[in-house]
Amino acid sequence: GAGVSQTPSNKVTEKGKYVELRCDPISGHTALYWYRQSLGQGPEFLIYFQGTGAADDSGLPNDRFFAVRPEGSVSTLKIQRTERGDSAVYLCASRPGTRAGELFFGEGSRLTVL
Amino acid sequence: SQQGEEDPQALSIQEGENATMNCSYKTSINNLQWYRQNSGRGLVHLILIRSNEREKHSGRLRVTLDTSKKSSSLLITASRAADTASYFCATGEKTSYDKVIFGPGTSLSVIP
Repeated sequence: GAGVSQTPSNKVTEKGKYVELRCDPISGHTALYWYRQSLGQGPEFLIYFQGTGAADDSGLPNDRFFAVRPEGSVSTLKIQRTERGDSAVYLCASRPGTRAGELFFGEGSRLTVL
Repeated sequence: SQQGEEDPQALSIQEGENATMNCSYKTSINNLQWYRQNSGRGLVHLILIRSNEREKHSGRLRVTLDTSKKSSSLLITASRAADTASYFCATGEKTSYDKVIFGPGTSLSVIP
C-alpha cells in the first residue's frame, strides 16, 4: 500500500492477556517508530528502529513491552500481561533513510484493556 | 518521554484570524517539526525547520525557531474552519540516530 498500515485498528482485551500490534511501513522506509497516545495528550515515544535493530528503546515503559522488526520492514509491538493503564492509541510511523525528516504515520491501533 | 511544553493548550479563534502556537523544548536538537492531527486520526507532517534555520514558510504557515531560548512558534494566517485540529511540535534529538519527541499539543478551534 501507499501509506503506513496498522492492524488491528481496534483491539479490546482483558486484563492479563497478551496483545500484538502490527505495523507495515511504507516500502523502503528504513526508520520505524512506535508511539503511545492517551486521550488529550501528545504521542509518547516508545521505541524506534533503524533497519532491523532497535536504535533507541528508552521509551518502553517496562519489560512487559517488547517490539521486533526481524526483516527490517514489518514491526510488531508486543504487550504481555496487559493492564488497564495500557489502554491508549498506539501509533506507528516510518521515514526513509537515516537523515532527519518527515515521519509518515499510520492511523493507529486503539487498545482497550478491560 | 515527552519534550517540553506547548502554549496555549487550547485556542479558539474566528475564521480569518491568525493563530499562533508556541513550543518549548529541553534538549539540544537537530530539527523541529510541526504536525497536525484531526480528531481520531493519524498525524500529518506540516513543516520541518533545521537547527541552523530561524524562520520557514509554507503556504499559510510560518515557523520560527530560537535555539538560544529553546522555543519555536507556529503561525497559521487567515485561518479556516478546516484548520480545526490539534497541533504538535516534535524535536529531533541530537543523538547519533534521530529520536523524535512530541510535545503535549495545542487544540485549535476555528469558528466559522
